[in-house]
Amino acid sequence: DTEVTQTPKHLVMGMTNKKSLKCEQHMGHRAMYWYKQKAKKPPELMFVYSYEKLSINESVPSRFSPECPNSSLLNLHLHALQPEDSALYLCASSQTGSTDTQYFGPGTRLTVL
Amino acid sequence: AQSVTQLDSQVPVFEEAPVELRCNYSSSVSVYLFWYVQYPNQGLQLLLKYLSGSTLVKGINGFEAEFNKSQTSFHLRKPSVHISDTAEYFCAVSPYSTLTFGKGTMLLVSP
Repeated sequence: DTEVTQTPKHLVMGMTNKKSLKCEQHMGHRAMYWYKQKAKKPPELMFVYSYEKLSINESVPSRFSPECPNSSLLNLHLHALQPEDSALYLCASSQTGSTDTQYFGPGTRLTVL
Repeated sequence: AQSVTQLDSQVPVFEEAPVELRCNYSSSVSVYLFWYVQYPNQGLQLLLKYLSGSTLVKGINGFEAEFNKSQTSFHLRKPSVHISDTAEYFCAVSPYSTLTFGKGTMLLVSP
């Protein structure tokens, strides 16, 4: 099974709301990633977790807060977002990082009003 | 640092015609190369990858790519496309654990 699941599929939130995106994989992968993708653009890396520890933070604003509760789960907590944060948020996982293939989830389409 | 250039933002082609999507990269270290496909409103799916060995790589859905170190290219080809191949295609490089994507090429297949 090479599936990465993400919930919810769509999310609409106001600028004062707090919400969370969830990502799950059961492939035994130890590296998990969050990407942001704007329309007609490639994915941009936000965070990397390796063995449940945050290893890369690509200077993402603090209104985005990642969490890795265990090796199968990755959350992205959202607070006080701006309309320009509206995008497709993609989660991916890989065996350990390095040369391993990243498997992507279907994404969460986020709209910030 | 590394970068990826996909020269064509859009490639229109008729069904059953061959297609080549171009990808050039630059890097100061050895890299691994990937092609991903993204269908509308979906995540990315791996088409194929080059890590080492044979420079001709075969992937899913009849796609293949050839790694050319001297020209720093990794072009994607398919001998005969279908309507269902209409999608965005991303070339990516990875020297370590992160991927650097090109800007993508939209393949538009018409009957």
